[in-house]
Amino acid sequence: NAGVTQTPKFRILKIGQSMTLQCTQDMNHNYMYWYRQDPGMGLKLIYYSVGAGITDKGEVPNGYNVSRSTTEDFPLRLELAAPSQTSVYFCASSLTNYEQYFGPGTRLTVT
Amino acid sequence: TQLLEQSPQFLSIQEGENLTVYCNSSSVFSSLQWYRQEPGEGPVLLVTVVTGGEVKKLKRLTFQFGDARKDSSLHITAAQPGDTGLYLCAGASGGSNYKLTFGKGTLLTVNP
Repeated sequence: NAGVTQTPKFRILKIGQSMTLQCTQDMNHNYMYWYRQDPGMGLKLIYYSVGAGITDKGEVPNGYNVSRSTTEDFPLRLELAAPSQTSVYFCASSLTNYEQYFGPGTRLTVT
Repeated sequence: TQLLEQSPQFLSIQEGENLTVYCNSSSVFSSLQWYRQEPGEGPVLLVTVVTGGEVKKLKRLTFQFGDARKDSSLHITAAQPGDTGLYLCAGASGGSNYKLTFGKGTLLTVNP
């Protein structure tokens, strides 16, 4: 099992550009999540999904969109990148209520 | 909004020393998890505690969930350089046990 994979690992965007962060899990987990981690700020939930076709907003959803067409994939879309979106983004998945498995992260810089 | 306060924020110790880090809240959590994150990687789950007063041991690491389920502690005995990392606590509450609130973390450095 590869677990949770994320691409790309690093990306630099110009203000106003768009991009999609990819996330795939091969553990057949129902729940999937997107977090952002800023220095000294812990992890903030952006969006989550409880199953294919179902998504909902987390704590900091503004400026982002998600979709969940399959159990395995949960891409995160940034439409108009802003410097405030400079962060490290983590995708995670879980089978049950508790243990979340995290991907290696995508480090995004918006300049 | 539920908050989890972790202390200390930074901790630098020598190999062989013992340490305790804390995770406190004014809110009640149905479960609490501890993760360790190494530089450039995602967090990795260490333990989940669900019962007030519960104590779990993972080799040299001892985790305790407060009786009122508002706080938790992580004690490391005889710390080793391999214990270096960011320790995060995360709480779940109410009917949304899959949605976690994370603390800001304790950055531990164990010097050889």
